[in-house]
Amino acid sequence: DIQMTQSPSTLSASVGDRVTITCRASQSISSWLAWYQQKPGKAPKLLIYKASNLESGVPSRFSGSGSGTEFTLTISSLQPDDFATYYCQHYNTYPLTFGGGTKVEIK
Amino acid sequence: EVQLVQSEAEVKKPGESLKISCKGSGYSFTSYWIGWVRQMPGKGLEWMGIIYPGDSDTRYSPSFQGQVTISVDKSISSAYLQWSSLEASDTAKYYCARRGVVGGHWEAFDIWGQGTMVTVSS
Repeated sequence: DIQMTQSPSTLSASVGDRVTITCRASQSISSWLAWYQQKPGKAPKLLIYKASNLESGVPSRFSGSGSGTEFTLTISSLQPDDFATYYCQHYNTYPLTFGGGTKVEIK
Repeated sequence: EVQLVQSEAEVKKPGESLKISCKGSGYSFTSYWIGWVRQMPGKGLEWMGIIYPGDSDTRYSPSFQGQVTISVDKSISSAYLQWSSLEASDTAKYYCARRGVVGGHWEAFDIWGQGTMVTVSS
């Protein structure tokens, strides 16, 4: 199985900050990677698919990059609505595993 | 509107059986994979398995193989996750999610159900 490792596990930031979250795969997954945002008590929401494609309706301050084994999610200017937990997930082969999550907290 | 609506929260005792549901609407239910994801209290997301309603092709995570059964009833556009004998460690919120398709390639989970909380306690 492919293991997904996210870092950091927790991130403290202020409104307006540029935030970067990293996700590493244990083997190459090409660009088959997604990023999700989850708020407490709610279902995850798809932000980015195929490493760098913005899901419809997602603000352009979110962007994704990377291929192979290393990927990043960047929020260009953190907004109050962005304080949440973010997960990466590969979908190269089954099982489609998730990273451990990164909680973005208010500094 | 494309949506997945899950069954209500359940409270069960250890050893009991359970089947929770996920009903799709607003799209061709038989044409998209439906997956199940576990989230234990205060923890991250775990991919459990996935089913293709068109032909019931099912794949499980090794961590959940033999522990749960995923099934589908095409006639009512519903997918199911079931346990034959619950344990306290099955206490979690369970989400169903649709796997999207772009340009003919299967993509990430683009539509999610609201989640079903399962509590197992004596």
